[in-house]
This record gives sequence, structure tokens and C-alpha cells, in this order.
Amino acid sequence: AQSVAQPEDQVNVAEGNPLTVKCTYSVSGNPYLFWYVQYPNRGLQFLLKYITGDNLVKGSYGFEAEFNKSQTSFHLKKPSALVSDSALYFCAVRSPGGATNKLIFGTGTLLAVQP
Amino acid sequence: KAGVTQTPRYLIKTRGQQVTLSCSPISGHRSVSWYQQTPGQGLQFLFEYFSETQRNKGNFPGRFSGRQFSNSRSEMNVSTLELGDSALYLCASSLESYNSPLHFGNGTRLTVT
Repeated sequence: AQSVAQPEDQVNVAEGNPLTVKCTYSVSGNPYLFWYVQYPNRGLQFLLKYITGDNLVKGSYGFEAEFNKSQTSFHLKKPSALVSDSALYFCAVRSPGGATNKLIFGTGTLLAVQP
Repeated sequence: KAGVTQTPRYLIKTRGQQVTLSCSPISGHRSVSWYQQTPGQGLQFLFEYFSETQRNKGNFPGRFSGRQFSNSRSEMNVSTLELGDSALYLCASSLESYNSPLHFGNGTRLTVT
């Protein structure tokens, strides 16, 4: 069965410092991986995805993620955090193959960027 | 291009009542999915529709149902509401392509009293 783990409930970082939000996955076959961000009282916004190709994926708002097959990880990174990046971040996986767009989400990581 | 629209944004219902939530996908998107978000359970998949057919269903009781219309708009219905049904219900649409992301609406906040 597919699963996604986000080991940190909260990540605290000072503005201007690099940030990392961790995600590990378990899926049979090659995974399709996604990161989403959620601001208060809003839906989820798509940040980036890994389907195949380069292990470093660039996305919206300066975020990037590194796919590591041997460690089954897909960590979200940003070189310099902004206070406005403070939000809830979700990692998700979709099974390859089959006629479905169903995503399995991690439990979410709250990112707090201090000024 | 307009995003995913969910109505209403907020609902307050009493136990035992039923409720219908509506979702209008992005134009051209034929796949619509529904998720329930709660603090305790996180994001849970409810069901997925494509071309008016339910092609995937999550592990929810039969009180939860949905449908999709020919214009891809979707509704979900919860009958005999329970306190535990209080949640943010999110609708998402996508293109029918294996690498297309889901695009989410802002959700309907349902409170059951």
C-alpha cells in the first residue's frame, strides 16, 4: 500500500535562512510525488511535482524539491525563507498506472518563519 | 481561467440532517475528486469522478455519496449527519493526464451541531 510520511509536525526557521520540509514515501513501482501548500481557510495550492527525469525539481514561489530514490525521500527546500512562506505543507503520492488521480497525503508540516 | 469553485463556503447543520455540497471544476477538467480534511485524520480521500462515473471511492460509510454531471460539475451529499462529519470538504479537479496535478477549491467548512 502507498503511504507518505512527514516526520515533522512543525518546522521553525528564521527569515532569510534556508528551509527544508521532509517527506518520505512508500509505493510499489515508480512514484508520482507532489507538494502542496495550504494557507489558513484556503484550499491546497500546487507547488511542484516529480514524475520522472531530473531529481531536482523546481516549482512555484522559489521552492524546489529533491527526489532521492534510494532513500525514498522527496524533501521540499527553499534557499531563503520568507515570513509569507508560513503555512501548512503537504507531501502527496499517486500510484503510477491505473485510471485514477487519487492522491495519498502526508499529515502535513506547519512551517513557521520568524522575522 | 477561473479556478475550482465550491459552494457554499460555510455550512452549519444539526445532527441527523443531510447536506449537499457543490463543486465547479476548472473549465476543461473532467476529473473531480473530493477530500475530507480534519485536524485528527488529516486529508482523507472520499471519491473521484470522471465523465459522470465514480471510478474510485475512499473508506467512508454509505452516508457519503456524490455524483458528477455532464458538464463535469460535481456534488457530494452527506445524509444523517453526525458530529464527526464536521470538517473542511475539499474538491479538486484535474486534466486526464498521469502527470497533471490536482487543483483544489477553497473548500466548504461544515459544522455539525
